[in-house]
Amino acid sequence: GENVEQHPSTLSVQEGDSAVIKCTYSDSASNYFPWYKQELGKRPQLIIDIRSNVGEKKDQRIAVTLNKTAKHFSLHITETQPEDSAVYFCAASRAGTGNQFYFGTGTSLTVIP
Amino acid sequence: DTEVTQTPKHLVMGMTNKKSLKCEQHMGHRAMYWYKQKAKKPPELMFVYSYEKLSINESVPSRFSPECPNSSLLNLHLHALQPEDSALYLCASSQEQRDWGYEQYFGPGTRLTVT
Repeated sequence: GENVEQHPSTLSVQEGDSAVIKCTYSDSASNYFPWYKQELGKRPQLIIDIRSNVGEKKDQRIAVTLNKTAKHFSLHITETQPEDSAVYFCAASRAGTGNQFYFGTGTSLTVIP
Repeated sequence: DTEVTQTPKHLVMGMTNKKSLKCEQHMGHRAMYWYKQKAKKPPELMFVYSYEKLSINESVPSRFSPECPNSSLLNLHLHALQPEDSALYLCASSQEQRDWGYEQYFGPGTRLTVT
C-alpha cells in the first residue's frame, strides 16, 4: 500500500519568514495530493491540493509543488503570520481506492511573532 | 451548505455503556468516512461508506459499529469500549472518487472519553 512520509515533524519560524514542509510517497499511481491545516481543537481543513497532471499550484501565500519523478511534494508558506501556527498534514490518494487518503505524520508549525 | 456536522461535541462513557455518534452532510456527497484521531497524530481511517454501502473496514474492533441510514447521515455505534478508545472521532464526506481524488470535508469531531 501507499506510504507517505512527512518532514519536519516540528518547525518554528519567525513571523514574515517562509516555511517549507516536504512529503514523499511510495505509490507511483497516487494522483491527488491535498494539504490540511488543523488548529488546536479544530477540524482538519483543506488549504491547497494538487493533481498529478500539474507541477505547481499557488493560492496567495500558499503554494504546493509536485515532483512525480522523485515522488515528493512540498508545501510552501510565504510571509508567515502567527495565525499560520497549526499542525499541517499532507496526504496522497489514487484512483480505485474509494478516495482513501494516506496521511503523513504531520508537522507542527509555530510562527513566532 | 459546505459543512459536515457532528453530535455530540463531547461524550464521556463508561466501559459498559452504549452510545452513538452522529454525522450529517447536505452537500450531496456519496462517500462518507469515520476517522479516529489521537492528539497531534494524523486521522486514522476506520470506515468508508460509498453510496450507503460499507466499502472499507480497516480491521476495526466490533465494539465500533457503523451505520449509514441514508445518503446524508452516518452513525457510529459504540459498545463496551476500552479506555484506549478515548480520542477525537472525525466524520468526513466527499464526492465519489472517479479518476481523481477529491477533497474530504471534515466535521468538527466528537471528543470521546472512556472511563
